Amino acid sequence: EVQLVESGGGLVQPGGSLRLSCAASGFTFRTSWMSWVRQAPGKGLEWVADIKTDGSEKYYVDSVKGRFTISRDNAKKSLYLQMNSLRAEDTAVYYCTRGHWGRDYWGQGTLVTVSS
Amino acid sequence: QSALTQPASVSGSPGQSITVSCTGISSDVGGYNYVSWYQQHPGKAPKLMIYEVTNRPSGVPDRFSGSKSGNTASLTISGLQAEDEAYYYCSSYTSSSTLFGGGTKLTVL
Repeated sequence: EVQLVESGGGLVQPGGSLRLSCAASGFTFRTSWMSWVRQAPGKGLEWVADIKTDGSEKYYVDSVKGRFTISRDNAKKSLYLQMNSLRAEDTAVYYCTRGHWGRDYWGQGTLVTVSS
Repeated sequence: QSALTQPASVSGSPGQSITVSCTGISSDVGGYNYVSWYQQHPGKAPKLMIYEVTNRPSGVPDRFSGSKSGNTASLTISGLQAEDEAYYYCSSYTSSSTLFGGGTKLTVL
């Protein structure tokens, strides 16, 4: 059974940092593109970042470039999102997903709240 | 990077068919056959329903189908069932990034 389990969300002050993690199981992680997608409360889906199988290519939505970093550890079957200089508009549920052109597996999401 | 355009809501009665449109431009929907559709029930994670414009993942009923013409992609659900009531989002690959539509609320009357 495929599982993606996110962790690391919580309440953080504006300007603060948070690191999200995603533990993968049930599929060949090292051959899968992975990504983060977020959803602000009551809003639609927004793609955040993609990372290639070996970590050699990374892509970001313009609004997080320079602030967020996506990374992975294939040995640990884990995906990460380092989020710095957080803003109120980054408040959302963050989903770990598998895929690049189509996202076939999704985690349950972890809530990040940026507020003072 | 503007979001893809979807109608805010659509509705239909059980057994009927509905279509949800997703409009982009030539550099996203029109330029790639990488359009996907996702179903999301309240409080749940999205579920992939269609990928690469027309393909259904294993386990998705054949009542769900996808198509594309020019810069507009479409999701059609035939034989509507009560459990189809949900939000539906389209997405398209575009030049190393991904765009999502704003979402469409499907109501089964």
